Order: sequence, then structure tokens, then C-alpha cells
Amino acid sequence: GESVGLHLPTLSVQEGDNSIINCAYSNSASDYFIWYKQESGKGPQFIIDIRSNMDKRQGQRVTVLLNKTVKHLSLQIAATQPGDSAVYFCAEPATHQAGTALIFGKGTTLSVSS
Amino acid sequence: DAGVTQSPTHLIKTRGQHVTLRCSPISGHKSVSWYQQVLGQGPQFIFQYYEEEERQRGNFPDRFSGHQFPNYSSELNVNALLLGDSALYLCASSPSSPPWGEQYFGPGTRLTVT
Repeated sequence: GESVGLHLPTLSVQEGDNSIINCAYSNSASDYFIWYKQESGKGPQFIIDIRSNMDKRQGQRVTVLLNKTVKHLSLQIAATQPGDSAVYFCAEPATHQAGTALIFGKGTTLSVSS
Repeated sequence: DAGVTQSPTHLIKTRGQHVTLRCSPISGHKSVSWYQQVLGQGPQFIFQYYEEEERQRGNFPDRFSGHQFPNYSSELNVNALLLGDSALYLCASSPSSPPWGEQYFGPGTRLTVT
């Protein structure tokens, strides 16, 4: 069935470094993934998504890579800033005939020190 | 443009009581989903509403019920509250047409059951 998980619960980096947050999934038929950022006391914020017909997608300072062979995706944040400190989740829609549920992993807490 | 709004922001209830949480989706979005997020974990899908019907339901007991109104706003009702219901309740809205993988979250309602 669908499951999305992250490799590391925490990641600490220095300001200006590049950050890489990883996520593994189990369903080889999965075709759409979303990365969310959740700051303390707030709801998850959509960062970037990727469909299975792509290997890479870039946004502003963020890049998502998808490796379908090993069922792995990663979120890369360039020049990490203190404002990037948050919990990051990868999520996968579980779509059935009637509706869609997002399946979230447990999250990686990114801490950025200046 | 206003994002997803939720009310109230915080709520304290006693075991056995009933609670109603409210959500207004992004303008033009017709689908609303509800999630429960326990501290330290990713959001867990409760149910999704579209065109005033429950379209999909997660693994939550019948004490959790919902409703969607003609203006697409939604309510989450929880009866016979348990201590374990203490969590952040998130509402997410999606664009009109399926699939609804792209979901945008509100700030959440923090429910504390004592």
C-alpha cells in the first residue's frame, strides 16, 4: 500500500549550506509527490511537487529529485537560511474512485544555525 | 487572496464533551479535507468532502463526523472527546476537479482535551 517515510528525523546545517532532505516510498505505482514545510504553530505549506514523468523539478532555491528505480525522492534547499528552519514532510496522494487522501511521512526537522 | 481559514485557533474541552471546528476553503476550491496532527507526527487523514458529500474517509471512529455546506465551507465534529483527541486539526482545500492531490492547508485548530 501507500507509505511515505523520511530517512532522518532531524537535520542541522549552517546558514548558507545546502540542505538535502530525503524521502522513500513503497508504492511503485505512485505518480505524484508533494513537499510541505511546516513552521512551528502553523499548517503545512506547499513547497513544490513532482510527477512521475519527471526526474527533477526546480523552484526558488528548492529542487526536488525523483528516482523511481529506488523509489526515493529528495528535497534540496540551496543556501539554507534561518527562515528555512521547520519540519519538512513529503506526501503522496492516495487516490481512490471517490476521493483523495494525502499520506504524510513523519517529517524531518531542519535546524539552521547562523 | 485569502487562504484557508479555520476557527477557532485554540480550544480547550473536557473529556466526554463535543466539539465543532470550522473551515473556509480558498475561494474557488470545492473540496475540503480534514487531518489530525498529533505532536511530533505527520498529519493523518480524517475525511474529504466534495459537493457536500463525504468522498473518502480515513481510519477514524464514527465519533468524528463532518459536513460541507453549499458555500463549500466545512465543519468537523467530534463527540465524546477522549484525551487522545488532543491534537492540531488541519483543514485543506483543493481545486475544483479531481484528482485532489494538490491540497492547501489552513493554520489549524489546536484542541486540548483535559
